[in-house]
Amino acid sequence: DAGITQSPRHKVTETGTPVTLRCHQTENHRYMYWYRQDPGHGLRLIHYSYGVKDTDKGEVSDGYSVSRSKTEDFLLTLESATSSQTSVYFCAISDPAGLTDTQYFGPGTRLTVL
Amino acid sequence: AQSVTQLDSQVPVFEEAPVELRCNYSSSVSVYLFWYVQYPNQGLQLLLKYLSGSTLVESINGFEAEFNKSQTSFHLRKPSVHISDTAEYFCAVSVRDDKIIFGKGTRLHILP
Repeated sequence: DAGITQSPRHKVTETGTPVTLRCHQTENHRYMYWYRQDPGHGLRLIHYSYGVKDTDKGEVSDGYSVSRSKTEDFLLTLESATSSQTSVYFCAISDPAGLTDTQYFGPGTRLTVL
Repeated sequence: AQSVTQLDSQVPVFEEAPVELRCNYSSSVSVYLFWYVQYPNQGLQLLLKYLSGSTLVESINGFEAEFNKSQTSFHLRKPSVHISDTAEYFCAVSVRDDKIIFGKGTRLHILP
């Protein structure tokens, strides 16, 4: 299995509070991604990174920000959480070949916003 | 822009019976195609992928998928399913140097 961990694995928070999710990899892969998974929607890309300090928006980026100060860590921040951001969040990494290559997924973080 | 449609949200099938999970894509250029599997309470894992070459690709656990350019399809098949195949299956598509787009998933229910 690719070395990808996510923390926390579960989190319950209240509307309006900031939340940061962490993705950590030990594979030294260049590309990292944040997705959210919701019933009936499959996986939707939030943000991705193609290198340290290099990030770009995905399909559903509103309300989320990311940072990548080290190759191994990719942080997803909800500045002010809303109930619509209740979801399961997955981090993924891909081979140095880039966006079209196999993506390896972390175990997920289940976030509940009350 | 490319898109992918999984035609069935749920597929029930008896153990040891064959199964086909359908996937159609839309793109004006050449694509790469993937099937991922998600077992309960886990992340996604790559099952198989088509990048080029032979249109029939196989996985190590008996699944296969065939790229059909004229039908713009990449259906997933297995001749005999096992209870351990219970999972959600995601079809995905990308073009070179672009992001992977996932379908909405198909839940495979294996009936005893």
